[in-house]
Amino acid sequence: ILNVEQSPQSLHVQEGDSTNFTCSFPSSNFYALHWYRWETAKSPEALFVMTLNGDEKKKGRISATLNTKEGYSYLYIKGSQPEDSATYLCALRTGTASKLTFGTGTRLQVTL
Amino acid sequence: DGGITQSPKYLFRKEGQNVTLSCEQNLNHDAMYWYRQDPGQGLRLIYYSQIVNDFQKGDIAEGYSVSREKKESFPLTVTSAQKNPTAFYLCASTETGGAYQPQHFGDGTRLSIL
Repeated sequence: ILNVEQSPQSLHVQEGDSTNFTCSFPSSNFYALHWYRWETAKSPEALFVMTLNGDEKKKGRISATLNTKEGYSYLYIKGSQPEDSATYLCALRTGTASKLTFGTGTRLQVTL
Repeated sequence: DGGITQSPKYLFRKEGQNVTLSCEQNLNHDAMYWYRQDPGQGLRLIYYSQIVNDFQKGDIAEGYSVSREKKESFPLTVTSAQKNPTAFYLCASTETGGAYQPQHFGDGTRLSIL
């Protein structure tokens, strides 16, 4: 079983703060790295699918970078808002089979 | 609207009973997945199917069974052999035509043992 690790496990920031979390994964057999946002009482929602070393993707105030050689991805949130409160999951795909291995998530809470 | 429907939202099982969780999608996706979530753990893959009439075991398939007779449907049966079935179960689907498609998720079913 692959080991996909996320840190920190949880994070509590003030509105307006910028923040970032890490996803670490084994760099061998890399195929793609997914990021999802999972709000309470909702289903997980895809943020990014990243495939190339050095990839950088952006969606509004959220962006992500990828380093496949050293096996990590960073997710950044600029100017956090209360609606950003959620669990952020990363997941690794290692081959042509479309299955993913998920990390345990980073739980973000943004307060006023 | 296209999406994934899981039912029921809450399910209670007596010891020794089999129960079936429903997952239906109208996204015309080829691949479907079942995950289990326990407190403090990530989503763990139970079974997945990349095409109708074919499925593969995930990381924690023991005590579970699936079928994929139709493209739209991927039911999961939690058998009496599953010793610790209390958990939150999520179903997902994705296109397999594109190489880098995200997964789309249902709202989940919470299973509890009476």
